[in-house]
Amino acid sequence: DGGITQSPKYLFRKEGQNVTLSCEQNLNHDAMYWYRQDPGQGLRLIYYSQIVNDFQKGDIAEGYSVSREKKESFPLTVTSAQKNPTAFYLCASSGNSGSTDTQYFGPGTRLTVL
Amino acid sequence: AQSVTQLDSHVSVSEGTPVLLRCNYSSSYSPSLFWYVQHPNKGLQLLLKYTSAATLVKGINGFEAEFKKSETSFHLTKPSAHMSDAAEYFCVVRIMNSGYSTLTFGKGTMLLVSP
Repeated sequence: DGGITQSPKYLFRKEGQNVTLSCEQNLNHDAMYWYRQDPGQGLRLIYYSQIVNDFQKGDIAEGYSVSREKKESFPLTVTSAQKNPTAFYLCASSGNSGSTDTQYFGPGTRLTVL
Repeated sequence: AQSVTQLDSHVSVSEGTPVLLRCNYSSSYSPSLFWYVQHPNKGLQLLLKYTSAATLVKGINGFEAEFKKSETSFHLTKPSAHMSDAAEYFCVVRIMNSGYSTLTFGKGTMLLVSP
C-alpha cells in the first residue's frame, strides 16, 4: 500500500527531553512537510522540504529541527527549546514543489510532554 | 498575503438536512483552494480542490464547493448530511513563495450531525 506513516501514534516525554517523530512515505514524493495542530488553531507549518538534503523553515520553526537525508524520510525533532511542545503533529507529502500538486497527510502523532 | 477565514467554528445540522460550511479567502492573485476533512485523532483527507478550472468543484462523499471571485468565497456544501460527516473541516489556500508552494489553513469548522 502506498501512503504516509507516522510513528508512534501517541508519545509521552518528560519536560526538557528532546524527542524525534518519524515520518515515512512510499509515494515517491519529492516534497514533505511538518505541521503542528492545536485546538481551534488549524494547522501551522513547522518545516518543509522540497528535495533531499534541503529544507526551509515554516511559520513556527523555533524549537524544532529536521533532516532530509533520504527521499522517503523526514524526521522531526522537538527540542527542549520548544516552549509548548504538547500538540498533534502531522506530516504530509506532495509530488513536487509546483503549483498544482496536492498534499497528502499521515495519521499524525500526538505528543504529550509531562 | 494569502489567508483563509472560516466563518463558523461549529455548525450543527440534523441528519438529512443540507450542510453549509463557509470560507472566505484573501489573495493577491488567483488562488488554489482546498477543503480537507479530519475525523477525530486522524490525519487529513482531501475533499476537493479548486485550481482555476471549473468554479463549481465536486468532491468525495457528495460534497461540493463553488469558487466565487466577486465574493472571495469558497463555501462547502452537501445536500443531505450523514452521521458519518461529523468531523472537522479545514479550508486551505495554497501560497507560492520563491517557486515553492505551501498551504495556509483556516482554523477549522467542527460539523456536528444529530439524528
